[in-house]
Amino acid sequence: DAKTTQPNSMESNEEEPVHLPCNHSTISGTDYIHWYRQLPSQGPEYVIHGLTSNVNNRMASLAIAEDRKSSTLILHRATLRDAAVYYCILRDYSNTGKLIFGQGTTLQVKP
Amino acid sequence: EPEVTQTPSHQVTQMGQEVILRCVPISNHLYFYWYRQILGQKVEFLVSFYNNEISEKSEIFDDQFSVERPDGSNFTLKIRSTKLEDSAMYFCASSEGTGTRSEKLFFGSGTQLSVL
Repeated sequence: DAKTTQPNSMESNEEEPVHLPCNHSTISGTDYIHWYRQLPSQGPEYVIHGLTSNVNNRMASLAIAEDRKSSTLILHRATLRDAAVYYCILRDYSNTGKLIFGQGTTLQVKP
Repeated sequence: EPEVTQTPSHQVTQMGQEVILRCVPISNHLYFYWYRQILGQKVEFLVSFYNNEISEKSEIFDDQFSVERPDGSNFTLKIRSTKLEDSAMYFCASSEGTGTRSEKLFFGSGTQLSVL
């Protein structure tokens, strides 16, 4: 799997937008960009994914650079419940479907 | 919303004992996975399972580990002779099994295994 690079930690204030960056300069043309998050004492949960175009869902938005070498997960209004580890993962074609997790970004949300 | 359920939430065992961790994946899913997370470390892939056989396993998944789908709903991870270093949170996951790059994995809340 191609490698991603994320900051180890970020801080945000409650009710402010948060932009979580991810660099993936070795991404291949067919890799999907997936984001998962892991709340304290929980299993990872899917957040969003995209290929080339920006994507929005009820949890977040994903902005993908035109050259696809980087992406940004956007939480429009951070809440205390958004404090978690956020993982950016490139998904290549694999019959087994597994995901490979890196260290992720630990997001702290301050009231 | 359908979810992956894992039991027990906590398991304490003595070194050398066998443990079985249980999972009920989402009912129409075809791929099943086990991951583990040692305290303070990243989530590590152990094994994937499809069509009643192992699809892929990591180096961690050695001969002391085995997986089974004993009936149409449960998916189990057995550790034959537990070691202290097996202490970790074990997560079960499942996915629809489309094999596409957009496929999502759904994780359970985990079983915390403590080996004494």
